[in-house]
Amino acid sequence: GESVGLHLPTLSVQEGDNSIINCAYSNSASDYFIWYKQESGKGPQFIIDIRSNMDKRQGQRVTVLLNKTVKHLSLQIAATQPGDSAVYFCAAEAAGNKLTFGGGTRVLVKP
Amino acid sequence: ETGVTQSPTHLIKTRGQQVTLRCSSQSGHNTVSWYQQALGQGPQFIFQYYREEENGRGNFPPRFSGLQFPNYSSELNVNALELDDSALYLCASSLAGRYAYNEQFFGPGTRLTVL
Repeated sequence: GESVGLHLPTLSVQEGDNSIINCAYSNSASDYFIWYKQESGKGPQFIIDIRSNMDKRQGQRVTVLLNKTVKHLSLQIAATQPGDSAVYFCAAEAAGNKLTFGGGTRVLVKP
Repeated sequence: ETGVTQSPTHLIKTRGQQVTLRCSSQSGHNTVSWYQQALGQGPQFIFQYYREEENGRGNFPPRFSGLQFPNYSSELNVNALELDDSALYLCASSLAGRYAYNEQFFGPGTRLTVL
């Protein structure tokens, strides 16, 4: 079955620096990947997604990289801001709209 | 805000009781998925409903059941509550075909505590 894991449970970053969050997945059939941000007391919020036919996708201050060879994806946040403090989850989907989430990485932004 | 609402916000039940959680999807969204999120963990897929029919189920026992209604609302029912059912329950709605993927919009969740 699918499993998705994150390498670091907590990431502490200085305000203004770049953040990199990593994620590994196990199911080679996964064809769609999403990064979510979850703040305390709220549901997950969509950040950026990428399909398996791409290896990079950029959004506003965020970039997702996908390496299908080693089944790894990462989320890069440029110029991290205090509002970026949250738990970040990667999720993978292999067939029909059913997501498998990783365990989450907490990002703490230091002023 | 995603336009997805859930009720109640918090709920306390005792072991063996039954609970019903409710979700109101974004207007027009034909797919709703339910997830269980234990403290400090990622959400776990419970099941999904597409056009009022179950469209996939995760590794959860039959005492977890659901309904989806034509008015874009849905319910998650849990019978014979166990202590391990204590978690944040999330619903997510999307506009998707049975086998397609589109962005899922999550509600704020219902925090269930089982004593």
